[in-house]
Amino acid sequence: NAGVTQTPKFQVLKTGQSMTLQCAQDMNHEYMSWYRQDPGMGLRLIHYSVGAGITDQGEVPNGYNVSRSTTEDFPLRLLSAAPSQTSVYFCASIKLGQGPNYGYTFGSGTRLTVV
Amino acid sequence: DAKTTQPTSMDCAEGRAANLPCNHSTISGNEYVYWYRQIHSQGPQYIIHGLKNNETNEMASLIITEDRKSSTLILPHATLRDTAVYYCIVRVNSNSGYALNFGKGTSLLVTP
Repeated sequence: NAGVTQTPKFQVLKTGQSMTLQCAQDMNHEYMSWYRQDPGMGLRLIHYSVGAGITDQGEVPNGYNVSRSTTEDFPLRLLSAAPSQTSVYFCASIKLGQGPNYGYTFGSGTRLTVV
Repeated sequence: DAKTTQPTSMDCAEGRAANLPCNHSTISGNEYVYWYRQIHSQGPQYIIHGLKNNETNEMASLIITEDRKSSTLILPHATLRDTAVYYCIVRVNSNSGYALNFGKGTSLLVTP
């Protein structure tokens, strides 16, 4: 199993540009989520999804859109990039319904710089 | 979610046990204690979790006090590769999924 795969690993955008950060998992996990991590800070939840066709906002959703058309994929879209969105983005997933026996699986991150 | 308090940083000699404390004095009866770590520039990694009993797995042990107001993550024989930021998170577990509230964690430095 590949686990959680994020692409690209690095990206530089100009202010106002749009882009999509990709996240894919091959573990049949229903729950997928996006976090951002700013320097010296903990992770903050952006958006999450409990299954295909279902998404919801987290703590810091402004400026980001998500969709979940398949169980495997959960892309994060930046509509008009701003310097404040310079951060490291992590995708995480977990299988639901198995009780408190497992932790989240995280991807290796996408490092985004907006200039 | 209950608030957690962790020391900002700790040192540990290689081969010795690393004991990372976490205070969660406002924890509710149905909240679990989770531990994750983040090695530099990598995604967080799940370590262990518990409700009220002590837990052990291949990575670590988790000791939760009887009143559940604090816990300690124990890495029995720390190696240089255990240098990381360790996060203690308290959260109600739900079969519908749950968000992880990461604080700033404890930066553990394992020295030769």
